Amino acid sequence: AQSVTQPDIHITVSEGASLELRCNYSYGATPYLFWYVQSPGQGLQLLLKYFSGDTLVQGIKGFEAEFKRSQSSFNLRKPSVHWSDAAEYFCAVGAPGTASKLTFGTGTRLQVTL
Amino acid sequence: SQTIHQWPATLVQPVGSPLSLECTVEGTSNPNLYWYRQAAGRGLQLLFYSVGIGQISSEVPQNLSASRPQDRQFILSSKKLLLSDSGFYLCAWSRLAMNTGELFFGEGSRLTVL
Repeated sequence: AQSVTQPDIHITVSEGASLELRCNYSYGATPYLFWYVQSPGQGLQLLLKYFSGDTLVQGIKGFEAEFKRSQSSFNLRKPSVHWSDAAEYFCAVGAPGTASKLTFGTGTRLQVTL
Repeated sequence: SQTIHQWPATLVQPVGSPLSLECTVEGTSNPNLYWYRQAAGRGLQLLFYSVGIGQISSEVPQNLSASRPQDRQFILSSKKLLLSDSGFYLCAWSRLAMNTGELFFGEGSRLTVL
């Protein structure tokens, strides 16, 4: 069965600083990988996704993520964080061919200080 | 464009009372539909998914049930709520044809059982 680990429950960064959120997955083959963002009391919005091809994926709001098969990781990065990026971030893994039955990590809450 | 609506947004119910959360999708046909529950610090747990009218798959045994009476309508129900049913419930849809694995989420329904 697939699984996702987000080891950081809570991260605080200063506005303008760089950001990296960690995500490790467990899956027997190459999975579909996703990062979603959730503002307080809201639903989830897709930031970016990886299916195949280029291992560096660009998303919305200036985010990017890199798929590293050897490390089973899909870390999310942003070079300069804005105060509006404060939210909860979820990594998710899905098995190709299924009905989008994604498995989500427990999330990382990002706090941005001014 | 496609939209997804959930209601009610907030619900406070006594233990033992019934529950009905409704979700509708507009602007697409034959979507896959999902109910997720989000509990604090536990990420998102897939409760039910549906690939068509009347077709419901349950992912975890629980006090809840789901129904899909129409193509774009998904209902989450309970006959008698438990305290442990409290949480944030998210409805989502994905494309059946040309499925990229991406989920599109509603705004969520916060249920508090007292």
